[in-house]
Amino acid sequence: KNEVEQSPQNLTAQEGEFITINCSYSVGISALHWLQQHPGGGIVSLFMLSSGKKKHGRLIATINIQEKHSSLHITASHPRDSAVYICAAHTDKLIFGTGTRLQVFP
Amino acid sequence: KAGVTQTPRYLIKTRGQQVTLSCSPISGHRSVSWYQQTPGQGLQFLFEYFSETQRNKGNFPGRFSGRQFSNSRSEMNVSTLELGDSALYLCASSPGIDTQYFGPGTRLTVL
Repeated sequence: KNEVEQSPQNLTAQEGEFITINCSYSVGISALHWLQQHPGGGIVSLFMLSSGKKKHGRLIATINIQEKHSSLHITASHPRDSAVYICAAHTDKLIFGTGTRLQVFP
Repeated sequence: KAGVTQTPRYLIKTRGQQVTLSCSPISGHRSVSWYQQTPGQGLQFLFEYFSETQRNKGNFPGRFSGRQFSNSRSEMNVSTLELGDSALYLCASSPGIDTQYFGPGTRLTVL
C-alpha cells in the first residue's frame, strides 16, 4: 500500500462545477503539499498546510491531522484548471501521491 | 526574482553513458531538492541539499549522486545510464523547510 493515496485518479467536469480531490496518508507529517502540474511538466506549489484550511482564489485546501486526510476543492471550475493535481506528504522528504488528472470542459 | 532554472531542458543519451544535470535555485534559497518523475513510478524524491550538505536521500542506487556549490547551485549526476533512467528530472528550491519552487525540469531520454 502506498504511503500517500489520492482519489480519484481521473476526473472530468463541466465548467462551473465544484471539484473535490482527496488525499490520504499513512505517515507522520510536518505538512501536506498540493501541487499542480500542467502538460509539459511544470509544477506549481498551490498549498502547504499543517492544520485547518487555506484558501487562494477559487482553490481551498483542508487537512484533518487526526484522520490523516486532506482535500483540495476547486469552486466554479474553469477549463484552465485542467491539470494533474498531486498531493505530497512532507516527512523528512516529500512523498508523492500518484496524482489526479482533471479535465474541465466548457 | 528569477525562478528556478534547469539546464539542459532536453537530453538524449545512450546506455552506459553518464549525465550531469544542473539546477540554479531562486536567489537566497539555500535548499535544493531533486526529483525523478516517470509514468510508472510517478514523482520520487532523489536527494536534498542545504548549504552544500546532503540533508536527505531517497531510495535510489549509488549511480545517482549530487552536490551543491557555495552559491547554492546544484548538480546531479547519473552514471552508467540505464533505459529505466529515462524520466523528467525536476529540481526545487526553498528558503528552508518551506514551500518548494519547482524548475521546468530536464527531460532525459536513454536509448
